[in-house]
This record gives sequence, C-alpha cells and structure tokens, in this order.
Amino acid sequence: GNSVTQMEGPVTLSEEAFLTINCTYTATGYPSLFWYVQYPGEGLQLLLKATKADDKGSNKGFEATYRKETTSFHLEKGSVQVSDSAVYFCALSDRAAGNKLTFGGGTRVLVKP
Amino acid sequence: DGGITQSPKYLFRKEGQNVTLSCEQNLNHDAMYWYRQDPGQGLRLIYYSQIVNDFQKGDIAEGYSVSREKKESFPLTVTSAQKNPTAFYLCASSISPGTGNTGELFFGEGSRLTVL
Repeated sequence: GNSVTQMEGPVTLSEEAFLTINCTYTATGYPSLFWYVQYPGEGLQLLLKATKADDKGSNKGFEATYRKETTSFHLEKGSVQVSDSAVYFCALSDRAAGNKLTFGGGTRVLVKP
Repeated sequence: DGGITQSPKYLFRKEGQNVTLSCEQNLNHDAMYWYRQDPGQGLRLIYYSQIVNDFQKGDIAEGYSVSREKKESFPLTVTSAQKNPTAFYLCASSISPGTGNTGELFFGEGSRLTVL
C-alpha cells in the first residue's frame, strides 16, 4: 500500500534560519504530492503541491520538488519566521485509490525569535 | 465565502453516549472525508464518500458511522462502541476524481471530542 514517511519533530529553529523537512513516499502508481500546514487549534491548509516528477511546488517562501528517482518531496524554506511555527504534513494522493490522501506523521516546527 | 464548517468546535461526552459531529460544505464538492488526529500523530481516514447516498470505510471505521443524504452534508457519529474516542476530528472535501482533480483536500477547522 501507499505510505509517507517524514522526519519526526519537533524541529526548533531561530528566526531567519534555513528549514528542511524530509519526506519520502511509497506508492504503486504516480501520485500527486502535497505539503499541508496546521496552525495550533486549526484544520489543515494546503501549502504547496506537485503533480508529476520534477515539478516544483512553491508558496509563501516554501519549496518542494517531486523527485521520482528518490521518491522524495522535501520541504525547504530559506529564512523562517516566528509565524511559520506549525505542524507540517507531507501527503500523497493516489488517483487509483479515489484520490484518498495518505499522510505522514507530521513534523512540528517551532521558530524562536 | 465558500468553505467547510464543522460543529461543534469542542464537545464533551460521557462514556456510553453516542455523539454526532456536523460537517457542511458549500464548495459544491462531490467527495467528503472524515479524519481522526491524535496528539503528535498524523491523520487517519475514518470514512469517505464520493457521491450522495454512498460511502466507504477508511482505515479506522470501527465504532463510527456516517450518512450522506445531501451533497453538502457528511455527519459523523461516534458511537459507544468506539473504545478510545477522545481525539481531534477533521472533515474535508474535494472535487471528484477524474475531473482534473489532483487530489487536493479542503479541510474544516476541526472538532475536538473529549470523553469524560
């Protein structure tokens, strides 16, 4: 079956530091890949997505590239802010499975001023 | 504005009671989903529905029930058979597969259920 593995947190950073959250996946088909973000007490919001190999998703200074050869979709941001403190989820969507999302376990990021 | 509304935001239940969580969307989405989130963990799929009057079990359906009588609504009932119901419940929706949908889900703000 499909699965998503992402690095465990918490990740604690200082403001303006570089952030990387690793994500790898296992899928039988050609999934779409997503990063969702969850702020405290809220639901999930889509941060960025990529639908095919070598696509790069980007939003709010975050980037992730769909790497089919390494089955990875690592999230990066060059200079984090306190407002980036949240839980980040990597996920894949398998069209063959009715577009159900499979989520990784989430990575909590804490940015200190 | 279009979106997904979950209610109540917080709910307390005594053991042995059934409770129903509401989820309404005005995005005209065909598919709707219920996920459960436990502290420090990822999301697990409880039930999903791709069309009115039809739904399928997800990975952890035991102790839960749903209905999909209207396109806009997908209520989740947590029954007394659910052994550990305290959790954060998230409802989501999406357009149907096969209509150019890449799989993006739109989420509500969640309902936190606590069993006393």
